[in-house]
Amino acid sequence: GALVYQYPRRTICKSGTSMRMECQAVGFQATSVAWYRQSPQKTFELIALSTVNSAIKYEQNFTQEKFPISHPNLSFSSMTVLNAYLEDRGLYLCGARDGGAEVFFGKGTRLTVV
Amino acid sequence: GDQVEQSPSALSLHEGTGSALRCNFTTTMRAVQWFRKNSRGSLINLFYLASGTKENGRLKSAFDSKERYSTLHIRDAQLEDSGTYFCAAKDYNQGKLIFGQGTKLSIKP
Repeated sequence: GALVYQYPRRTICKSGTSMRMECQAVGFQATSVAWYRQSPQKTFELIALSTVNSAIKYEQNFTQEKFPISHPNLSFSSMTVLNAYLEDRGLYLCGARDGGAEVFFGKGTRLTVV
Repeated sequence: GDQVEQSPSALSLHEGTGSALRCNFTTTMRAVQWFRKNSRGSLINLFYLASGTKENGRLKSAFDSKERYSTLHIRDAQLEDSGTYFCAAKDYNQGKLIFGQGTKLSIKP
C-alpha cells in the first residue's frame, strides 16, 4: 500500500534557529508533494505544492525564503523552517500523490519554538 | 472567505447511533477527500471521491460537485470512531487540497 513516512515526529527549536523535516513516500511515486501547517486552533493551511519537473508554488503568506523545499526525486521531499519564531509553531504535514489520485499524508512533524 | 465550510465543528454521539458531517464549497471542486485524525495525530484516509457515493463499513460518503457539497455519514458509532474528521476538497486550478475546519467527534458509551 501507499505510505508516507515523515520525520521527525516532534522537534523543539530555539527562537531564531532553523529546523528541517523530511518526507518519504513508499509504495508509490510522489509526483506531487504538498506541505501543510496546522497552527493551534486552526485547520490545515497549504504552504506550498511541489510537482516534479515544475516550479514549487507557494501560497500567499508563505515564501521560499522562509520555507525552502526540496523535491529531488519521486520518493523524497524536505522542507526547512528558517528562523523559526513562535508563530511558526504547529503541526506540519506532508501529503504526496501520484498524478491526480488521492493524497496520502505522513504523521506530521510537531514544531515547538522556545 | 473560506472555500470549504465544514459542519458541525463538534459532535457528540452515543455508541450505536449515527449522524452526518457536511462540507459546503464556495466553488466547484474536482474531488473531495475525508480524513480522520486519531489520538496519535495520524491523518487516516477515509474516502476519495470524484463523484457519487462510496461506502466502507459503517461509513458512507457522498460528493456532488455541481451542488458544491460532500457528506460523511457514520452509523452504529463505536468508541474507536472518536477523533477529528476533516474534509479536503481538490480545486480545479492547481489540484491542491483545501481543508475544512474539522469536526471533533466524541463517542460516549
